Amino acid sequence: AQSVAQPEDQVNVAEGNPLTVKCTYSVSGNPYLFWYVQYPNRGLQFLLKYITGDNLVKGSYGFEAEFNKSQTSFHLKKPSALVSDSALYFCAVRDDYYGGSQGNLIFGKGTKLSVKP
Amino acid sequence: DSGVTQTPKHLITATGQRVTLRCSPRSGDLSVYWYQQSLDQGLQFLIQYYNGEERAKGNILERFSAQQFPDLHSELNLSSLELGDSALYFCASSVSQGAHQPQHFGDGTRLSIL
Repeated sequence: AQSVAQPEDQVNVAEGNPLTVKCTYSVSGNPYLFWYVQYPNRGLQFLLKYITGDNLVKGSYGFEAEFNKSQTSFHLKKPSALVSDSALYFCAVRDDYYGGSQGNLIFGKGTKLSVKP
Repeated sequence: DSGVTQTPKHLITATGQRVTLRCSPRSGDLSVYWYQQSLDQGLQFLIQYYNGEERAKGNILERFSAQQFPDLHSELNLSSLELGDSALYFCASSVSQGAHQPQHFGDGTRLSIL
């Protein structure tokens, strides 16, 4: 069965410091991995995805994520955090085992990122 | 702005009632997905449509139904509403149903059952 775990409910970072939001996954086939961000009273915004290829994926707003197959992880990172990065971050996975016919994303429970000035 | 439009933004109704949530996907997107977000359950996939046909079902209750129309907009119908149905309902769309395609989300409809 597919699953996603975000082990931290909240991550606190000082502005200008690097940030990491953790995500681990479990799938039957090859994973398609995604990060989304949700601001208050808004929908989820797509940040980046890993499909295949380079393990370091670059996305929007200076975010990047590192895919690690042996650790089944896909951690979100940013070299220098901004106060405006404060939001709820969701990791999600789709499993290619079903040939892409299963349309759903499986989401983690979300990690609240708080960046203090 | 994701390009996905959901109406209404807020809906307040009573137990036992029926409501319809509407979603217009991004221009050119053929696939529509519905999700429910609540504090206790998190984000749960409900149902997917592709070019008018149902493609996948998740944790959707029998009291809930959906459809996608020829102009590709979609509606989620919730009936015999219960207090526990109070949640944020999101629609998302993607160009195709390929697993590699990112889904783009609307701002949601907040449903409150009194």
